[in-house]
Amino acid sequence: SYDLTQPPSVSVSPGQTASITCSGDKLGDSYVCWYQQKPGQSPTLVIYEDTKRPSGIPERFSGSSAGNTATLTISGTQAMDEAVYYCQAWDTTTAVFGGGTKLTVL
Amino acid sequence: QVQLVQSGAEVKKPGASVKVSCQASGYTFANYGFSWVRQAPGQGLEWLGWISANNGNTHYGQKLHDRLTMTADTSTNTAYMELRTLRSDDTAVFFCATGLGHSAFDHWGLGTLVTVSS
Repeated sequence: SYDLTQPPSVSVSPGQTASITCSGDKLGDSYVCWYQQKPGQSPTLVIYEDTKRPSGIPERFSGSSAGNTATLTISGTQAMDEAVYYCQAWDTTTAVFGGGTKLTVL
Repeated sequence: QVQLVQSGAEVKKPGASVKVSCQASGYTFANYGFSWVRQAPGQGLEWLGWISANNGNTHYGQKLHDRLTMTADTSTNTAYMELRTLRSDDTAVFFCATGLGHSAFDHWGLGTLVTVSS
């Protein structure tokens, strides 16, 4: 099976830049997207097709992808950005999620 | 605006089946597909499968494919996910999700908690 690997946790100070990585053997063959999930809520799409932001998502969220690693970057991190972030890609007709990264803003 | 409204929480005994619904509004139902995703308590997201709302074609993940059935009713704009032979480790929140115009999931239901307990 196809696995996407994320760090379990990332910490960042308010106003600083947070980077969350997602690695997988076939990532170079597929677009990556990123979801934010806060406790008790449904996931929210924050980045799709590696780098695109849906409408309503703040500009401080950006995505990049190179080789087998994709990165979600949050610039000027705010307390409201504290959440679990999941990467997701497609392996032909199967969607795969990373294990999630808990972002702590402290 | 796009809305996905899911059915309410369920409590089932081991061995039983559960059918969760997801009613869509705010867009042309038959033009897009649905995925179902589950999240066990305190755990990450697990993709279960996908159904085309247009023609009912499905693709299920390997883990549950023998216990899972997804359907879509274009007359009521509702997608369904049925999971059979429930076990305690099936306890989870089940989400429906769709992507309008791309392969990511940009709209999600609020989730349906399914509790499997004797």
